[in-house]
Amino acid sequence: DAKTTQPPSMDCAEGRAANLPCNHSTISGNEYVYWYRQIHSQGPQYIIHGLKNNETNEMASLIITEDRKSSTLILPHATLRDTAVYYCIVSPLISTGANSKLTFGKGITLSVRP
Amino acid sequence: DTGVSQDPRHKITKRGQNVTFRCDPISEHNRLYWYRQTLGQGPEFLTYFQNEAQLEKSRLLSDRFSAERPKGSFSTLEIQRTEQGDSAMYLCASSSGTGVNSPLHFGNGTRLTVT
Repeated sequence: DAKTTQPPSMDCAEGRAANLPCNHSTISGNEYVYWYRQIHSQGPQYIIHGLKNNETNEMASLIITEDRKSSTLILPHATLRDTAVYYCIVSPLISTGANSKLTFGKGITLSVRP
Repeated sequence: DTGVSQDPRHKITKRGQNVTFRCDPISEHNRLYWYRQTLGQGPEFLTYFQNEAQLEKSRLLSDRFSAERPKGSFSTLEIQRTEQGDSAMYLCASSSGTGVNSPLHFGNGTRLTVT
């Protein structure tokens, strides 16, 4: 019962911005958008999360549409080390007791080319 | 903060044998999660602990699987009478479970191969 839809793969050139889309048309009012990534042979790594406002941290920016039905993760200057599977997940805040786990889909494979 | 540690990194076993994996979460993280990941798929939730209490188990966690977190610190995941279908990456994650920003921190997993 995937709540998000992501294209299976995309690529971008090193040094350029990578814009990773995610559709979550059935998102509920209390659900956040989380992004994780998984580099080959490693565990998933948290990137960013947001509710409705755009968010930015040292890794990426998260742009959420006004209707919250889709979002875009932006890696401003992609490097070869950003090649990974990126997971977009919607979930209530994981610090609450109601739903304390994340449900991963298949994600999108980002390939950064030299 | 030394991160989430999992041991062993790789395990090869014969069908029918029992295996046990260990996870050491980030210290003071009261939540600990186990996930399983097969090739080409995202991680699938298995179970999670709040301190020593196991609060949720997935239907994926058959009665051959048991997880413990006896003192609310490290956790073990045991698989009895392993089957070839158990071959997967077993991931552990921990979180502080409090505050607005309490992401899951994952270890690098234990890769199980059942021959």
